Amino acid sequence: GAVVSQHPSRVICKSGTSVKIECRSLDFQATTMFWYRQFPKQSLMLMATSNEGSKATYEQGVEKDKFLINHASLTLSTLTVTSAHPEDSSFYICSASWQLTNEKLFFGSGTQLSVL
Amino acid sequence: SQQGEEDPQALSIQEGENATMNCSYKTSINNLQWYRQNSGRGLVHLILIRSNEREKHSGRLRVTLDTSKKSSSLLITASRAADTASYFCATDPSGYSTLTFGKGTMLLVSP
Repeated sequence: GAVVSQHPSRVICKSGTSVKIECRSLDFQATTMFWYRQFPKQSLMLMATSNEGSKATYEQGVEKDKFLINHASLTLSTLTVTSAHPEDSSFYICSASWQLTNEKLFFGSGTQLSVL
Repeated sequence: SQQGEEDPQALSIQEGENATMNCSYKTSINNLQWYRQNSGRGLVHLILIRSNEREKHSGRLRVTLDTSKKSSSLLITASRAADTASYFCATDPSGYSTLTFGKGTMLLVSP
């Protein structure tokens, strides 16, 4: 099956620093990638939809300047948490769809962000 | 906003027993999907059922969909300890993968 690689798996940073998370589709071209946030024992909340070569579409309540998303190629999307604060600590997961009309998603293994 | 609501929130069973999880949703869908998540990991796609389908099987998994009641169920037969995980339903309104996830059911299968 298709593989989505997400790095890093865990990051600890100081408050005020920026953290970049990468999401790569290893063996397929992902026209669309999705970024989610998950708090402990809770569901996934969609943050934004990323389309290659265009600006990301953010969900209501998600700060665009806080969570910068770049989808520069068909195999790579990045999420940068800028000026991180402790309340940004969470589990971030990306997913990718193979083709625009392929409903099935392939997920990365997630990134646990801890902001001190 | 969350679309699906799973119940139960947590389920504890013995190996060999069947596990049934339910999902209710509010708006119309193109398809409904079930995913599995091991603690601290990403999600693994289990099965997708389209709005014009009523039942689907995959190995020990059986999924039903009742669009009139806006509900779905996931049945895992002959459960194993390795089935211990959180299970999420996710609804896709358009077929373009913009999924909305439910809160999940935590399944614990004891040896």
